[in-house]
Amino acid sequence: GAVVSQHPSWVICKSGTSVKIECRSLDFQATTMFWYRQFPKQSLMLMATSNEGSKATYEQGVEKDKFLINHASLTLSTLTVTSAHPEDSSFYICSARGEGRPETQYFGPGTRLLVL
Amino acid sequence: RKEVEQDPGPFNVPEGATVAFNCTYSNSASQSFFWYRQDCRKEPKLLMSVYSSGNEDGRFTAQLNRASQYISLLIRDSKLSDSATYLCVVNAQAGTALIFGKGTTLSVSS
Repeated sequence: GAVVSQHPSWVICKSGTSVKIECRSLDFQATTMFWYRQFPKQSLMLMATSNEGSKATYEQGVEKDKFLINHASLTLSTLTVTSAHPEDSSFYICSARGEGRPETQYFGPGTRLLVL
Repeated sequence: RKEVEQDPGPFNVPEGATVAFNCTYSNSASQSFFWYRQDCRKEPKLLMSVYSSGNEDGRFTAQLNRASQYISLLIRDSKLSDSATYLCVVNAQAGTALIFGKGTTLSVSS
C-alpha cells in the first residue's frame, strides 16, 4: 500500500525556535496533503490543506504566519512551526491524497513536538 | 454542535465480549464515512469504510443510517489486541480533509 513518511518522528526544542516537519509520499504523487494536529485526549484537528504548487488553505484559528506550509513538489510538503512556544506542543500528522484516488488518504506516522 | 460526536468511553470489556460504538455527524451532505483505529502515540489507521447497506469485515460490522446521521461499529469476540481508540471519521466531499470524532477508547482485558 501507499506509504507516507514524516520526519522527524519527535522533536524537543526550546521556546522561540523554529521547527520544520517534512511529510513525504514515498511511492505515489500526492496532489493534496493535509496537516492535522492532535492534543492529548482530543481529536485530530485539521490545520491546513496544501495543494502542490499553490498556497495552503488554513482552517479558521490557525495562524498562517506561525505555521508555514510549503508543498513544492508532488512528494513533499513541509510544515514549519515558527517561534514555537509550549502551547504548540502537540502531535502533528500529515496525510496525503494521491492522484486519481480522492477518496483515499494515507497518514504519516506523526511528529511529536515538545517545546520547553 | 460538533461535526462528529462520539462517546469517549472508556469501554472496559473482557475478552470475548461484544461491544458497540456509536457516532453522529452534523453535515447531512457528508459523502464518505469511515472508522479508524488509533493506538497510543501512533497515527490513525483505516479500519473500515462504512456503507449505507452495512458492511462486515471479520469480527467488525459497520452500519450507516443517513436519515439519522448515525454511524455504528460493532466488535464481536473482543481480543486484547482490539484495545485502542476508535475514531469515527466523515468526509464531506471526496478530496477534502477528513473530519475526525474525538474517539472512543476501548480496553479489553483478560
